[in-house]
Amino acid sequence: GDSVTQMEGPVTLSEEAFLTINCTYTATGYPSLFWYVQYPGEGLQLLLKATKADDKGSNKGFEATYRKETTSFHLEKGSVQVSDSAVYFCALIPSGAGSYQLTFGKGTKLSVIP
Amino acid sequence: NAGVTQTPKFQVLKTGQSMTLQCAQDMNHNSMYWYRQDPGMGLRLIYYSASEGTTDKGEVPNGYNVSRLNKREFSLRLESAAPSQTSVYFCASSLGQYKGYTFGSGTRLTVV
Repeated sequence: GDSVTQMEGPVTLSEEAFLTINCTYTATGYPSLFWYVQYPGEGLQLLLKATKADDKGSNKGFEATYRKETTSFHLEKGSVQVSDSAVYFCALIPSGAGSYQLTFGKGTKLSVIP
Repeated sequence: NAGVTQTPKFQVLKTGQSMTLQCAQDMNHNSMYWYRQDPGMGLRLIYYSASEGTTDKGEVPNGYNVSRLNKREFSLRLESAAPSQTSVYFCASSLGQYKGYTFGSGTRLTVV
């Protein structure tokens, strides 16, 4: 079945450091790919998405590129802030009509220290 | 404020008790979902409703039932709660298959 694998956390970075959170997926065809962020005590918020190969999603300084050849969707940010401390989830929706299930990775906790 | 509203935010149940988690969205979304979040497990889909009048099982449906009451509301019922159902439950909605989901703020349920 479809699955998403994220790098294990927690990840601790100093403010202004470069962030990469790795995400790879297993799915047939061309799934849609997403990154969600969960701040402490809150629900998940959509951070960015990409729906076809080579698309780049971006939001709030975060970027991720849909790489079909490596089945990856790594999240990057050039300079993290303390306010970016949260749990980040990579997710996919399979391609094909009637595919509604958003399948999540297990999440990566990011802590940014001043 | 537009979004997904879940009630209650916290609940403690005794083993064997029943309860219903409520979810409502005011964005005119067609599809609604119930997920549970457990440490180290990510989020797992319990049930979903692709459109008003339809419901389908997700990855972990055992011990749960759902009702899509109308386009706005999608409830999750635990008929006989078990400690294994201790979790944080999230309701979500979406406009379509490839749109992002909007999540509620969650219900933290403890079964003792």
